[in-house]
Amino acid sequence: QSVLTQPPSVSAAPGQKVTISCSGSSSNIGGNYASWYQQLPGTAPKLLIYENNKRPSGIPDRFSGSKSGTSAILGITGLQTGDEADYYCGAWDSSLSGVVFGGGTKLTVL
Amino acid sequence: QGQLEESGGGVVQPGGSLRLSCEASGFAFSSYGIHWVRQAPDKGLDWVAYIRFDGSKKYYADFVKGRFTISRDNSKNTLFLQMNSLRAEDTAVYYCAKEVGGDAFDVWGQGTMVSV
Repeated sequence: QSVLTQPPSVSAAPGQKVTISCSGSSSNIGGNYASWYQQLPGTAPKLLIYENNKRPSGIPDRFSGSKSGTSAILGITGLQTGDEADYYCGAWDSSLSGVVFGGGTKLTVL
Repeated sequence: QGQLEESGGGVVQPGGSLRLSCEASGFAFSSYGIHWVRQAPDKGLDWVAYIRFDGSKKYYADFVKGRFTISRDNSKNTLFLQMNSLRAEDTAVYYCAKEVGGDAFDVWGQGTMVSV
């Protein structure tokens, strides 16, 4: 059971937009920054969003992040088949004194 | 941005020990906190441990407290994870990851597999 809650799967057609939610509590997302990672099969995770809505260099602006209260959202526009991957949210948890992750969301681009 | 490369994984009997290493290059290793994150086969990500840039603070996930020890040698740009009293549930790919703002990880190694 993950501390952060994500939907197990989402799907959308190429070119469309999708959002992935990440629900937490006041000790993690509510009081700290959220981050998002993309993991393609057989590879290490890749940072997409940090500090709720910042993109590292090289991450296209098709990827966006937002936070409201104890939830964070990852948005992906202009979906491509190459976006098919597992997506994870993460945040520091002040009560646990550690980083917590969501269980992951599998994105299928139909 | 830099690179991280893990080593030291392998097959070990329950109750045994293993020491993982993570060698950094291309960035000022001694200026950044580094984390260990693991992923069991076909499962999600689990944070394992963190060490501050100067080694002055260490944090552990409850499931490894008292069994795993994180350390670093800034003179050798290397991070370590000493794993003792290993259990079957510790079987996973272990990644080291460099911190960036907001407790996020912007550089990951390729991972090293530990099978117990």
